[in-house]
Amino acid sequence: AQSVTQLGSHVSVSEGALVLLRCNYSSSVPPYLFWYVQYPNQGLQLLLKYTSAATLVKGINGFEAEFKKSETSFHLTKPSAHMSDAAEYFCAVSSGGGADGLTFGKGTHLIIQP
Amino acid sequence: EAEVAQSPRYKITEKSQAVAFWCDPISGHATLYWYRQILGQGPELLVQFQDESVVDDSQLPKDRFSAERLKGVDSTLKIQPAELGDSAMYLCASSPGQEDTQYFGPGTRLTVL
Repeated sequence: AQSVTQLGSHVSVSEGALVLLRCNYSSSVPPYLFWYVQYPNQGLQLLLKYTSAATLVKGINGFEAEFKKSETSFHLTKPSAHMSDAAEYFCAVSSGGGADGLTFGKGTHLIIQP
Repeated sequence: EAEVAQSPRYKITEKSQAVAFWCDPISGHATLYWYRQILGQGPELLVQFQDESVVDDSQLPKDRFSAERLKGVDSTLKIQPAELGDSAMYLCASSPGQEDTQYFGPGTRLTVL
């Protein structure tokens, strides 16, 4: 069985500040990990994915995430927040490289303060 | 850029009625998924197809939900009869195959009154 825990249902940062969204996973096999972003009334867009290559993964819109096996974590960061980053962010895990269904966390709502 | 298409975008129905959602995956994508996303939660997998075959429907409430992908291209998800607790966003996703990214459609928001 696999699961994802996202710490903090809401995170608020000032524009220009560091964004840090936390994700911890549980998986019985080497995991594939994903971060998706969802804007209101839209589907999910892939930000980045970890597939057992480099542990530091760079994604779109300046986001990156680091896979830490010892901590079972895959936290998402962005050095400088922009107003357009306000959205819902989901961490997901798969044991099949994405070919299997994804198991999602409950999501973190990112709020950007002007 | 190719996208996953879903219709309708919004559906309001009364409980005990039947509803159906349609999904057209990105051309050439063999794998298709249906997810349900309850407000304030992450998506949960309902059913996964590989071409026209069901790979995983363990979380599909089969007493009222059905899904098909007859020609291995587009897919339909049906609920009969709808219940109040079925109110959610229904998301369709597709991927080319093994170890590939899942691409999501815009979803169908269902409200059951």
